[in-house]
Amino acid sequence: AQSVTQPDIHITVSEGASLELRCNYSYGATPYLFWYVQSPGQGLQLLLKYFSGDTLVQGIKGFEAEFKRSQSSFNLRKPSVHWSDAAEYFCAVGAPGSARQLTFGSGTQLTVLP
Amino acid sequence: GAVVSQHPSRVICKSGTSVKIECRSLDFQATTMFWYRQFPKQSLMLMATSNEGSKATYEQGVEKDKFLINHASLTLSTLTVTSAHPEDSSFYICSAKAGGGEVFGEAFFGQGTRLTVV
Repeated sequence: AQSVTQPDIHITVSEGASLELRCNYSYGATPYLFWYVQSPGQGLQLLLKYFSGDTLVQGIKGFEAEFKRSQSSFNLRKPSVHWSDAAEYFCAVGAPGSARQLTFGSGTQLTVLP
Repeated sequence: GAVVSQHPSRVICKSGTSVKIECRSLDFQATTMFWYRQFPKQSLMLMATSNEGSKATYEQGVEKDKFLINHASLTLSTLTVTSAHPEDSSFYICSAKAGGGEVFGEAFFGQGTRLTVV
């Protein structure tokens, strides 16, 4: 069964600083990988996804993520954080060829300082 | 992107009563819908998967008689929390995806329902 680990429970960065949120997965082959963002009391919004091909994936709101097979990682990055990026971020993995839904990491809470 | 609407966004009910939460795909046909539960400061835990016209598949540990799921049409799935108790208070989120079979499709999430049982 697949699993996802987000090692950082809470990250604080200053506005304008760069950001990297870590995500490690466990799966026997190349999984489908996703990053979602959740604002307080809201559902999830998809930031980006990786299915195959180019390992550097561009998403919405200026986010990108890089799939590194050798490290079983799919870290999320943003070069310059905005105050509106403060939210909870979830990494998720899905098994190719499976109709089952995603397995989510425990989430990383991002705080942005002015 | 596709829109999934969840209603109500917040509900408070008395202990022992039942509450129904609706999940609608507004601009696509959702052959599969998923229901999640999220406790404060925690991740989403899949409760069940429902396919239109068939019985839902519940995850281990989820009481199917307590959490009734109906997916009667391609645009609507409902979750009914029966005989609710305070420990059922949580944030419930649905997601829906188009297509079916074994092809993995992108799922779209509703905005969630905050259930408080008093």
